[in-house]
Amino acid sequence: SAVISQKPSRDICQRGTSLTIQCQVDSQVTMMFWYRQQPGQSLTLIATANQGSEATYESGFVIDKFPISRPNLTFSTLTVSNMSPEDSSIYLCSVGSRAVLNTEAFFGQGTRLTVV
Amino acid sequence: AQTVTQSQPEMSVQEAETVTLSCTYDTSESDYYLFWYKQPPSRQMILVIRQEAYKQQNATENRFSVNFQKAAKSFSLKISDSQLGDAAMYFCAYKTSYDKVIFGPGTSLSVIP
Repeated sequence: SAVISQKPSRDICQRGTSLTIQCQVDSQVTMMFWYRQQPGQSLTLIATANQGSEATYESGFVIDKFPISRPNLTFSTLTVSNMSPEDSSIYLCSVGSRAVLNTEAFFGQGTRLTVV
Repeated sequence: AQTVTQSQPEMSVQEAETVTLSCTYDTSESDYYLFWYKQPPSRQMILVIRQEAYKQQNATENRFSVNFQKAAKSFSLKISDSQLGDAAMYFCAYKTSYDKVIFGPGTSLSVIP
């Protein structure tokens, strides 16, 4: 299993500002994923972050709005840029490893973001 | 593209009774994994049960079991002897060969004392 620490757990931000969310894993992992969960909704994948390469974004998400860093195999950050109230959501970090195909995805505890 | 559908936005069950949550999915892959995740108000995603598509036998985990119908692309979750702590959002999920997990819209389960 993997233990994932996400920081901050929650934040209230002013519109127009940016917030960087950190995700730390207790073991080396090949791929890290960032999800958004809007109020009362399911989880939607924002992007896949591989170490040493640029993140791959899903349809509807762009790098300018959600820049991602993956400096090593245990850490990643997601920045929510130029925030608006519509960005108020829970953001979750997840990890997986293709080397162990039958494992589930492990999740951080999420960051609850409120934009005012 | 893979999709996951949960047709029951809300369900309720009497404590100690049994409830079944429905899930269907669409994929062209032959090898994949299916999961049920539970999300209580703490928002932590908790794995309830998983099923490998190549296994015909339905997965079971204590009070939780699935009915996996590969040809029908159906993956329902049965919760037996429901407990108050089972109240949560339940998400059916599909894991692609690239490790992306695609979630269904969720079913909110209430347990009535």
